[in-house]
Amino acid sequence: DTGVSQNPRHKITKRGQNVTFRCDPISEHNRLYWYRQTLGQGPEFLTYFQNEAQLEKSRLLSDRFSAERPKGSFSTLEIQRTEQGDSAMYLCASSLDRETMNTEAFFGQGTRLTVV
Amino acid sequence: AQSVSQHNHHVILSEAASLELGCNYSYGGTVNLFWYVQYPGQHLQLLLKYFSGDPLVKGIKGFEAEFIKSKFSFNLRKPSVQWSDTAEYFCAVNRNGGSQGNLIFGKGTKLSVKP
Repeated sequence: DTGVSQNPRHKITKRGQNVTFRCDPISEHNRLYWYRQTLGQGPEFLTYFQNEAQLEKSRLLSDRFSAERPKGSFSTLEIQRTEQGDSAMYLCASSLDRETMNTEAFFGQGTRLTVV
Repeated sequence: AQSVSQHNHHVILSEAASLELGCNYSYGGTVNLFWYVQYPGQHLQLLLKYFSGDPLVKGIKGFEAEFIKSKFSFNLRKPSVQWSDTAEYFCAVNRNGGSQGNLIFGKGTKLSVKP
């Protein structure tokens, strides 16, 4: 499967613990996005990278959240001191954005986080 | 702030019925518009997108959407639905010139098609 891959698919954690999710984008895609989706809502943009540079962060991304894409390939999203309100599906997407070619965003299946 | 409104939360149709899902956006500038679909247990997939040109856009699986600038609308249509169209449908928008992945989504419309 050459699509966007996210791990783990499910994560249950106790309130106050730290969690980290991983996203492997489609290999030639230079842009990578993180979204959060809660029940009954559409995906909400959190942040995105062009290669290894984090270009934009949403106000939703509190200081407990941090994302990295150290080598411009895979990315991690870490949530520190989790709260019950962090329970959601975390989606990753990637796209190719160049002067001569731009693609739509391709989404992974997401990581479902449950904070108990 | 930009926003996307999808009028229907849940639509139930019988096979062969026609489908129209409403989508309105609020943004004064030029926008790009998208419809994504999420089949049960699967990831979001692009159905179609509009950037410019012919306001009637054809997508995959027989879907089409019409951009009406004066109404800030981008409704999704299909003349005859199938049971396999059961899914959740999301309308999304981004700023013209912005990355296609930096999207504002509506809340989604769940479509259930009865066989």
